[in-house]
Amino acid sequence: AQTVTQSQPEMSVQEAETVTLSCTYDTSESDYYLFWYKQPPSRQMILVIRQEAYKQQNATENRFSVNFQKAAKSFSLKISDSQLGDAAMYFCAVASGGGSEKLVFGKGTKLTVNP
Amino acid sequence: DTAVSQTPKYLVTQMGNDKSIKCEQNLGHDTMYWYKQDSKKFLKIMFSYNNKELIINETVPNRFSPKSPDKAHLNLHINSLELGDSAVYFCASSQSFGIRETQYFGPGTRLLVL
Repeated sequence: AQTVTQSQPEMSVQEAETVTLSCTYDTSESDYYLFWYKQPPSRQMILVIRQEAYKQQNATENRFSVNFQKAAKSFSLKISDSQLGDAAMYFCAVASGGGSEKLVFGKGTKLTVNP
Repeated sequence: DTAVSQTPKYLVTQMGNDKSIKCEQNLGHDTMYWYKQDSKKFLKIMFSYNNKELIINETVPNRFSPKSPDKAHLNLHINSLELGDSAVYFCASSQSFGIRETQYFGPGTRLLVL
């Protein structure tokens, strides 16, 4: 079974600053994919970034980047130059095979951006 | 030109009633999903359909019955609603079934059972 742990229920950051959201996961599979989703107050789940486990290079999408540490099973999300619109719940998720090809989510981190 | 749409957005009903939530995607995807997000924001998969066939069926009470009339639609019918069914239900879709697929979510349906 795969599990995802987000140890920070809440985080806050000043506008224009950088913040890192933590995520650790566990899976016995060698092939898996990792995702960060954002859920703003509008409730819509929006994909932020994805990482393929077999790729060593960390994924980047504009101001969003990940620090993928495979051996430590860690997948943190860094948000640079934080904007007010970044305020949301952020969910880390893992999808791995082994007969259970489903997306498993962490419990989320609520990010507040202070002006 | 919404990619994944759900109706209704809000649903308030009494215990014991039967209700349905509809989902449609216009992305041409083969796979669709239903998720439940509880009051603590925990999101968990309920069902998945690939080409109209059920492929994931988590431990969900049989009061919940998904139906996929075609690849673009996945509806969720709930019988004999209970207080504990109050949650936000999300529909999602992906190009195909598999771990590498990115899932695209609908806006969610907030269900409140009184």
